[in-house]
Amino acid sequence: SQKIEQNSEALNIQEGKTATLTCNYTNYSPAYLQWYRQDPGRGPVFLLLIRENEKEKRKERLKVTFDTTLKQSLFHITASQPADSATYLCALEDGNKLVFGAGTILRVKS
Amino acid sequence: DGGITQSPKYLFRKEGQNVTLSCEQNLNHDAMYWYRQDPGQGLRLIYYSQIVNDFQKGDIAEGYSVSREKKESFPLTVTSAQKNPTAFYLCASRPVGRNYGYTFGSGTRLTVV
Repeated sequence: SQKIEQNSEALNIQEGKTATLTCNYTNYSPAYLQWYRQDPGRGPVFLLLIRENEKEKRKERLKVTFDTTLKQSLFHITASQPADSATYLCALEDGNKLVFGAGTILRVKS
Repeated sequence: DGGITQSPKYLFRKEGQNVTLSCEQNLNHDAMYWYRQDPGQGLRLIYYSQIVNDFQKGDIAEGYSVSREKKESFPLTVTSAQKNPTAFYLCASRPVGRNYGYTFGSGTRLTVV
């Protein structure tokens, strides 16, 4: 069956460190993958899109990698800040729509 | 400012009642989507529309209905046939084409009382 897996446990890190979140998928062949940030009680906010022929994408303190052989994407936040605390969702293209993972909660402590 | 407006923010439904959630966008986006979010679960697709007067079922369409009479509007009706409607409902839009992120509304929290 098709599945998207993100770390179910919250990730707790110290301010200034790099946070790394994982997204694994099975039985999909996405042409692209997206990452979103969601704060409690709010809608997700689009962060980055990476295509299958791109190995890495950067935006300010954010970096995403996409390995179609491993069927995995890694999402990095460098020099993390308490304001980065949120739930981060990965999403795969499936036809004309996106399929979302359950998300990983990130907590950055000062 | 362009964006997506969902209303109401909170909605309470009695057993056996139909309720309609509003979603309006002024981004000139062609495609619109409705997702449902339950605690600890990913967003699940209810319905989507790529063009006016056309829409497709998502993974969990049973007990829901939609219409797309205008490009800007994509209302969702939660019918009495939906047995477990308590959830956070999110509307999203994007331009047609696969290389764009979604723009989401701020959501409607529906509770059955």
